[in-house]
Amino acid sequence: EVQLLESGGGLVQPGGSLRLSCAASGFTFSSYAMSWVRQAPGKGLQWVSTISNNGENTYYADSVKGRFTISRDNSKNSLYLQVRFFKVEDTAVYYCAKAARGHDAFDIWGQGTMVTVSS
Amino acid sequence: SYVLTQPPSVSVAPGKTARITCGGDNIGIKSVHWYQQKAGQAPVVVIYYDNDRPSGIPERFSGSNSGNTATLTITRVEAGDEADYYCQVWDDGGDHVLFGGGTKLTVL
Repeated sequence: EVQLLESGGGLVQPGGSLRLSCAASGFTFSSYAMSWVRQAPGKGLQWVSTISNNGENTYYADSVKGRFTISRDNSKNSLYLQVRFFKVEDTAVYYCAKAARGHDAFDIWGQGTMVTVSS
Repeated sequence: SYVLTQPPSVSVAPGKTARITCGGDNIGIKSVHWYQQKAGQAPVVVIYYDNDRPSGIPERFSGSNSGNTATLTITRVEAGDEADYYCQVWDDGGDHVLFGGGTKLTVL
């Protein structure tokens, strides 16, 4: 079964750090670009970051550039999002998503991991 | 920067046709993808590359894209189609993924 499973969310203080993980199974992970998409409570979907299949190319939303780092380990079928200097407005459910082709057209999504930024 | 504009809400009676639009400057030259998100669940792609339907998505879902508007059409709407729908494109200019603001589909 094709599956993405996020982990690592929780409560973090403003200015704090966290690493989110996404474990992939059921497909050839190294063949596809992967992304993180977040959704603040009651709000719409917001793209966060994308990484190419081989990890050589990364892309970030302006709102997270310099604070978030996307990476992947194809030997472990895993995607990561390192977050530093959390802001209250980063509070959201963070989804990892697989691109069907190219950089987008997300055909597989994880169930999401909730990150709450609060003092 | 590129912006995708969706109506906040669309209402339709069961059995009728719902059309959800996604406006953007010359969006017709971009590939548009549509996601359905039911309450408390992760999004699901219902249309990608303008009008391709993933396996498992009913034929009632279709897409079109031309000029400044992309449209998701749902025929013979069912109660189970009630959800938020988002359009999405890749913005080549900024190397960004963009989502529309989302449209809440209400089945009356």
